[in-house]
Amino acid sequence: QTVVTQEPSFSVSPGGTVTLTCGLSSGSVSTSHYPSWYQQTPGQAPRTLIYSTNSRSSGVPDRFSGSILGNKAALTITGAQTDDESDYYCILHMGSAIWMFGGGTKLTVL
Amino acid sequence: EVHLVESGGGLVQPGGSLRLSCAASGFPFNSYSMTWVRQAPGKGLEWVATIKHDGSEKYYVDSVKGRLTISRDNAKNSLYLQMNSLRAEDTALYYCARWTFSGSWYIEYWGQGTLVTVSS
Repeated sequence: QTVVTQEPSFSVSPGGTVTLTCGLSSGSVSTSHYPSWYQQTPGQAPRTLIYSTNSRSSGVPDRFSGSILGNKAALTITGAQTDDESDYYCILHMGSAIWMFGGGTKLTVL
Repeated sequence: EVHLVESGGGLVQPGGSLRLSCAASGFPFNSYSMTWVRQAPGKGLEWVATIKHDGSEKYYVDSVKGRLTISRDNAKNSLYLQMNSLRAEDTALYYCARWTFSGSWYIEYWGQGTLVTVSS
C-alpha cells in the first residue's frame, strides 16, 4: 500500500528558511492529491495552514507557503520564529474519497 | 464562529463499544461533509472516516471498516462515531472536523478531541 512520507524531524535557526516535504512511497504528488498542511503544538488540536497546495488558511502568516517541488508537496517557512516549533502534517487525497496523513515532521527552531 | 465539541470518550475493554458525539455550531451543519481524525498517544494523525453533508455516502480507512460507523443527525447538528469490537490499537484522541471545498477539499475546522482508551 502506498503511504504518505514526511521527514521525521527538521531543524532551522530563527530567521532561517526551511522546506518540509510530503511525498508518496510510490509515485509523485500532484495538485490532484489536494495537498494540505496542518500545524500542531503539544496538547493542542491541529491548525490548518495551507490547502489546495498553496492557499493559506485564514489568519496564517505569509511566511508559510505551499508548493509542489519536484514530485512532492512542500511547505516552506521563510523567516522561522520560535513559535513555529511544532509538528507539521500533510494530508493527501488517495482517490475514491480516501485520505491519508503523512507521519508528521517535528520542527525544531534553535 | 465555528465550534465543534466532542464527547463520549472513555475507558472501554477490548471488544467493547463506545459512541462518540460531536456537537457542531456556527455554520449550516447540513451543508458540510464531516470527518473523524484520530491520534494515538505520541503518534501522528490518522484520517478515520468521512460522511457527506446529507449522509448519503461514507468513507473509511481500511483498519476500521466493519467496526466503526460514522453517522450524522442534521436536525441535531451532530456527528457520531459508533465504535464496536474495539481493539487496543483504537486507543487515541478522536477529533471531529469539518471539510471545506475551496478549489479542493481540506479540513478547515477541528474540535479539541475526546480520548478513547481501550484496555482491560
